[in-house]
Amino acid sequence: NAGVTQTPKFQVLKTGQSMTLQCAQDMNHEYMSWYRQDPGMGLRLIHYSVGAGITDQGEVPNGYNVSRSTTEDFPLRLLSAAPSQTSVYFCASSYTTYAGVGEQFFGPGTRLTVL
Amino acid sequence: AQKVTQAQTEISVVEKEDVTLDCVYETRDTTYYLFWYKQPPSGELVFLIRRNSFDEQNEISGRYSWNFQKSTSSFNFTITASQVVDSAVYFCALHNDYKLSFGAGTTVTVRA
Repeated sequence: NAGVTQTPKFQVLKTGQSMTLQCAQDMNHEYMSWYRQDPGMGLRLIHYSVGAGITDQGEVPNGYNVSRSTTEDFPLRLLSAAPSQTSVYFCASSYTTYAGVGEQFFGPGTRLTVL
Repeated sequence: AQKVTQAQTEISVVEKEDVTLDCVYETRDTTYYLFWYKQPPSGELVFLIRRNSFDEQNEISGRYSWNFQKSTSSFNFTITASQVVDSAVYFCALHNDYKLSFGAGTTVTVRA
């Protein structure tokens, strides 16, 4: 099992450019999520999905779009990059229970710099 | 709204000392989960423990132990006889309604 994979590992964008961060998992997890990690702020939830075709906003969704057409993939799209989106982005997946989610498996992260 | 507070920003200890990391959370819900994750200098996030709100038993796993006290909304983490490999950032997190909220993290440095 590859677990959770993310591409690219590093990316530099100019302000206004768009791009998609890729995330895939091979554990058949229903739940997938995206976080951003900024110094001194821990991880903040951007968007999440409880299954194919279902997505919802987290704590900091502005400037990001997601879709979930398959169980395996959960791409994160930056529509018009801004310097404030410079961060490390983590994708995670988990099984779901009647009360929520289990242990989250995290990808290795994507370090994004917006100039 | 839910919130997790890790008041200790950085802790530095000498090897073999015990270190306790504090975590205080806020939530209005009665059903929730609490987590601890470790982020070593290499950057990956490593799951340590998941505890549901109905299970207040303390847990021990090797040199790690956790003290969950619902009355004070705390879920503290102790590393006994710390080692240099324990140097990392440790995050406490609260899960409810499919949303995970992380604390800001505590950086632990263990000196040889």
